[in-house]
Amino acid sequence: AQSVAQPEDQVNVAEGNPLTVKCTYSVSGNPYLFWYVQYPNRGLQFLLKYITGDNLVKGSYGFEAEFNKSQTSFHLKKPSALVSDSALYFCAVISSGSARQLTFGSGTQLTVLP
Amino acid sequence: DADVTQTPRNRITKTGKRIMLECSQTKGHDRMYWYRQDPGLGLRLIYYSFDVKDINKGEISDGYSVSRQAQAKFSLSLESAIPNQTALYFCATSDRHTDTQYFGPGTRLTVL
Repeated sequence: AQSVAQPEDQVNVAEGNPLTVKCTYSVSGNPYLFWYVQYPNRGLQFLLKYITGDNLVKGSYGFEAEFNKSQTSFHLKKPSALVSDSALYFCAVISSGSARQLTFGSGTQLTVLP
Repeated sequence: DADVTQTPRNRITKTGKRIMLECSQTKGHDRMYWYRQDPGLGLRLIYYSFDVKDINKGEISDGYSVSRQAQAKFSLSLESAIPNQTALYFCATSDRHTDTQYFGPGTRLTVL
């Protein structure tokens, strides 16, 4: 079975400060990892994904994520937060050996304070 | 993503009623999915379809059924709605060559 944990329900950060949203995963086989963002009253939007290769993945809106195999983590980061980054963020995983089903974490609400 | 549309966007219904949620996509993807979102639980997979003749149960399929009418259309039915099916429902699509899923805007369903 595959699973994703987002240990923080809520993350608050001041505008201009770096932000990190944490994600750890558990899969059998190689993981394919994703970050999605959900703005109020909207569907989920794809931010970035890790399949293979460079452990640092760059995505939309200045976000990046670092894959760490030994710690089974895939934390989302941004060097300088914007108020407009405030949203609900979801980490998700597919195992390379699975039936191609995405498993989502419970989500982390990011609030960037002006 | 405007390429994935869901109707209706909001629906209030009563216990015991039959409800159908519809999803259409213009992305040309062959894979389609239905999820429900509940606060604090993230998204959970209800059903998925890898092509028109392939329908699979997801994590929480009890109380739901689906129909893949065409490559571009995938509908979700609640045969007899109950209050704990009150949730936000999302349709998603993906291409067979990648695992990136693209989501519709969601349907907010309230069962009284």
